[in-house]
Amino acid sequence: QVQLQESGPGLVKPSETLSLTCTVSGDSISSYYWTWIRQPPGKGLEWIGYIHYSGSTNYSPSLESRVTISLDTSKNQFSLKLTSVTAADTAVYYCARSHGYFWGPGTLVTVSS
Amino acid sequence: QAVVTQEPSLTVSPGGTVTLTCGSSTGVVTSGHYPYWFQQKPGQAPRTLIYDTSKKHSWTPARFSGSLLGGKAALTLSGAQPEDEAEYYCLLGYSNFRGVFGGGTKLTVL
Repeated sequence: QVQLQESGPGLVKPSETLSLTCTVSGDSISSYYWTWIRQPPGKGLEWIGYIHYSGSTNYSPSLESRVTISLDTSKNQFSLKLTSVTAADTAVYYCARSHGYFWGPGTLVTVSS
Repeated sequence: QAVVTQEPSLTVSPGGTVTLTCGSSTGVVTSGHYPYWFQQKPGQAPRTLIYDTSKKHSWTPARFSGSLLGGKAALTLSGAQPEDEAEYYCLLGYSNFRGVFGGGTKLTVL
């Protein structure tokens, strides 16, 4: 059974960089697309972007200038970096296989000083 | 960026049928948008019901089906159960699957 698990700091200061990792088990990261999605408290889902196993990426235009998604095939992980965060980046962050075929449970990241 | 639209809320009677739709500001939704449908219950992560317009996940109940209808993607629930009360989100892909979510439909079974 494929499982994804997000990990990283639950609290980030404004203007700093949010960094999250998604660890994949039961599947090889050297296949498929791997996606990040977020959900602000009480609001809807927002697509952040994906990385293909080949290394190609595609990001949401509204976040593109601040987002980097990368792969670590040796650890079967992929990561999200979001720079210059503000309170508007407070959300539950989910990682997913393909465009949402399997999801992680999500991790809440709060941006606050 | 495209805007994806869903009904904000719908109500269905137990055992009844309801269709949720997913439209695009760019025009007709096609299979090339690879429509996804997700179900989310309070406090839980979303889970996939439908992908690539009409394909079902291994855990998708048979009463859910996906299609294209009137220029939109559609999710039809036939024989609604109380446990189907949830928020439903669609996802469309643009330009090498740059994804855009709809705002969600809150489905009440009453």
